[in-house]
Amino acid sequence: AQSVSQHNHHVILSEAASLELGCNYSYGGTVNLFWYVQYPGQHLQLLLKYFSGDPLVKGIKGFEAEFIKSKFSFNLRKPSVQWSDTAEYFCAVNHDAGNMLTFGGGTRLMVKP
Amino acid sequence: NAGVTQTPKFRILKIGQSMTLQCTQDMNHNYMYWYRQDPGMGLKLIYYSVGAGITDKGEVPNGYNVSRSTTEDFPLRLELAAPSQTSVYFCASRRQGLNYGYTFGSGTRLTVV
Repeated sequence: AQSVSQHNHHVILSEAASLELGCNYSYGGTVNLFWYVQYPGQHLQLLLKYFSGDPLVKGIKGFEAEFIKSKFSFNLRKPSVQWSDTAEYFCAVNHDAGNMLTFGGGTRLMVKP
Repeated sequence: NAGVTQTPKFRILKIGQSMTLQCTQDMNHNYMYWYRQDPGMGLKLIYYSVGAGITDKGEVPNGYNVSRSTTEDFPLRLELAAPSQTSVYFCASRRQGLNYGYTFGSGTRLTVV
């Protein structure tokens, strides 16, 4: 079965620090990749997605992610985090245009003001 | 346009009780999903539906049932609640084509005591 790994479970950063959250998946075929964010007490919202083309995708709120096929990775980055980025971040993968997403375990980010 | 609406937001059940978690979407989405979210485990798919009258099991279907009699509604039924079902439950929907991503409801926090 396909799996998605997010190795950093908790990350604490100061404001203006750079962010990189790791995401690796296990499936070797065609994949569609997503990052979702869950702010405290809220539901999941889509940050960005990759389907094809340029492996560097830009999302909302200054986030970007890079798809590296050879490494089975889709890491999320932001050059300078803000206190309002405090949230839990989930990587998700769909393979072969199937009907469902497989989610990683999430990374809880805390940004100190 | 309300999106995906889940009720109730919170519920405490006693072991062995039953309940139905409601999910309604007003976007005419064919695809609907139920996930449970446990700390550090990400989201696990319980059941999903690709259209009215069609449902299928996800990763963790045991102890749950669903039905999809209309496009709008996708209720999740717990027949004999167990402490292991203590979790946050999210309903999601999407239109045809994963390019649109999922729209999530605000979740139901269920505690079984």
